[in-house]
Amino acid sequence: QKEVEQDPGPLSVPEGAIVSLNCTYSNSAFQYFMWYRQYSRKGPELLMYTYSSGNKEDGRFTAQVDKSSKYISLFIRDSQPSDSATYLCAMTGGSYIPTFGRGTSLIVHP
Amino acid sequence: DAGVTQSPTHLIKTRGQQVTLRCSPKSGHDTVSWYQQALGQGPQFIFQYYEEEERQRGNFPDRFSGHQFPNYSSELNVNALLLGDSALYLCASSSTGQGLDTQYFGPGTRLTVL
Repeated sequence: QKEVEQDPGPLSVPEGAIVSLNCTYSNSAFQYFMWYRQYSRKGPELLMYTYSSGNKEDGRFTAQVDKSSKYISLFIRDSQPSDSATYLCAMTGGSYIPTFGRGTSLIVHP
Repeated sequence: DAGVTQSPTHLIKTRGQQVTLRCSPKSGHDTVSWYQQALGQGPQFIFQYYEEEERQRGNFPDRFSGHQFPNYSSELNVNALLLGDSALYLCASSSTGQGLDTQYFGPGTRLTVL
């Protein structure tokens, strides 16, 4: 079993939809949880960064962490075609070296 | 500010050859990390350099080595290339003592091994 599991998709939604992206993990030592967006032929770009359990909102993006279930989510409201990309979850403990999921490919069609 | 830059953009090598990839960190950053991203996978940590020394290392063989220069730029060297080394190699820079949200990735070098 991988430390971080993420469905690769692709996930295809119409413009304006609410998107839900999820990851599960097995390492209880993880304390920091991140979501990255990666466009084709580009490096990952950090979207959201949370510590421990709870919610964090930034514009159209909301990150949720449930440490008791070892489950994290990223919600995107009012999705746009420009949101089409691969979304990578990542997490780490004291080493500050992130362990990444394999990424979910999101397609938002007009 | 140019952000993190990497060179070359693309590279094609044959099995058994050696390759050197280069990274210039974002201005003000002193720590460089290297990742390997195979097609359809997330990035995997190779190693991290700070003050010209390898500070942490992931689960990669000794064929993978690196170097950091006094100006904080870094090189990744891979010897005896295997077909499985074909991947996007990402460099990320950060500032020691700052949070994870200060780490920035470069665009990567795509290495193809034939």
